[in-house]
Amino acid sequence: DQQVKQNSPSLSVQEGRISILNCDYTNSMFDYFLWYKKYPAEGPTFLISISSIKDKNEDGRFTVFLNKSAKHLSLHIVPSQPGDSAVYFCAAKAASNDYKLSFGAGTTVTVRA
Amino acid sequence: NAGVTQTPKFRILKIGQSMTLQCTQDMNHNYMYWYRQDPGMGLKLIYYSVGAGITDKGEVPNGYNVSRSTTEDFPLRLELAAPSQTSVYFCASTLTGGNSPLHFGNGTRLTVT
Repeated sequence: DQQVKQNSPSLSVQEGRISILNCDYTNSMFDYFLWYKKYPAEGPTFLISISSIKDKNEDGRFTVFLNKSAKHLSLHIVPSQPGDSAVYFCAAKAASNDYKLSFGAGTTVTVRA
Repeated sequence: NAGVTQTPKFRILKIGQSMTLQCTQDMNHNYMYWYRQDPGMGLKLIYYSVGAGITDKGEVPNGYNVSRSTTEDFPLRLELAAPSQTSVYFCASTLTGGNSPLHFGNGTRLTVT
């Protein structure tokens, strides 16, 4: 069963505007969350993460927000740039499962010039 | 640094054939992983290893085998290829478990016909 869900398969945004990607999870034991970015014919690369003790983490143009009560996190990209066009995966892990990341199905972001 | 290197990039197999997907990393990482990604799905963990000589099953291990004789190499073996194993396979590594982000290779696209 899918414990991490990204319900929007795709997102199109104009260059310079904000991109908001959403992710929901069902496992209340998840305590660490990550976003990965993937270009075609390449492997995913780590983008940003957040621990469950925080509700926000920022790194340059990328900010991740965590709402534990709603089991929801989001990734904001401001401003969006053409190089941000990629597939974004949300992932989560529980402290009790040191090795195992659960991934969402991904959201394809297209930034229009 | 090459990072995580996977070979081959592409392969077509006939049903019942066998092959080994190669993965090597030059970062002296202890943890290594094999994932598969099917269209519209998140990455699923096949096998993982926490160090040389130690391997364990992930979520979807059936039809696969692995070995970890050295820190650098983590090959994935398909013994009797089936159409259900058509997928993109990613190898990943990280220095320790916990919250260390994964470093991924560029993937092997496998088609079984």
